[in-house]
Amino acid sequence: QVQLVQSGPEVRKPGASVNVSCKAPGYTFNGYYLHWVRQAPGQGLQWMGWIKPNTGGTNFAQKFQGRVTMAWDTSINTAYMELNSLTSDDTAVYYCARAVVGPDYFDFWGQGTLVTVSS
Amino acid sequence: QSALTQPASVSGSPGQSITISCSGTSSDVGSYNLVSWYQQHPGKAPKLMIHEVNKRPSGVSNRFSGSKSGNTASLTISGLQGEDEADYYCCSYAGRSTLVFGGGTKLTVL
Repeated sequence: QVQLVQSGPEVRKPGASVNVSCKAPGYTFNGYYLHWVRQAPGQGLQWMGWIKPNTGGTNFAQKFQGRVTMAWDTSINTAYMELNSLTSDDTAVYYCARAVVGPDYFDFWGQGTLVTVSS
Repeated sequence: QSALTQPASVSGSPGQSITISCSGTSSDVGSYNLVSWYQQHPGKAPKLMIHEVNKRPSGVSNRFSGSKSGNTASLTISGLQGEDEADYYCCSYAGRSTLVFGGGTKLTVL
């Protein structure tokens, strides 16, 4: 059973950056991508982008291009998502999720990380 | 990348069947058999219910089924149970290695 363990809640001021981590202990990601999906309070799911762990390749939703960075640390099997220039609209629960390459469906999800942006 | 269109809410009585639609375009739902469905209970992470339009993961009840016609995908839940009350989201491949979600549908079991 794959477990994705995310970092804890964060509070940031507008204009700041936030870095959320997602650890997959004891599991390799061959044949899988690691995606990030967010959900604002009371709202739906929004796809942000993915990273391919074994190459570091990334692809982002147009909405986040230029403002998001995704990285993978192979030594500790951990993904990172950094979002810059935060506004109150970025207040949301951020999920990491594993996706099967090709069919592109999410079979395992992290528990979610609440990021609150407030002055 | 506009969100796929789902009804905001649907409801049904225990034992009945309901269908949730997911309308896209010829650039996403209509072009690829890569539609998945997720169930989300309050405060929980989403759970995969259907992938590749109509494939059910191991462990998911056979009361859940998926289909697609043209630019619209559908999730049908038969024999409604109280535990099915949740939010449901569709997701489709949208080309250029991107994905798009639907706005979500709240299912109420009366």
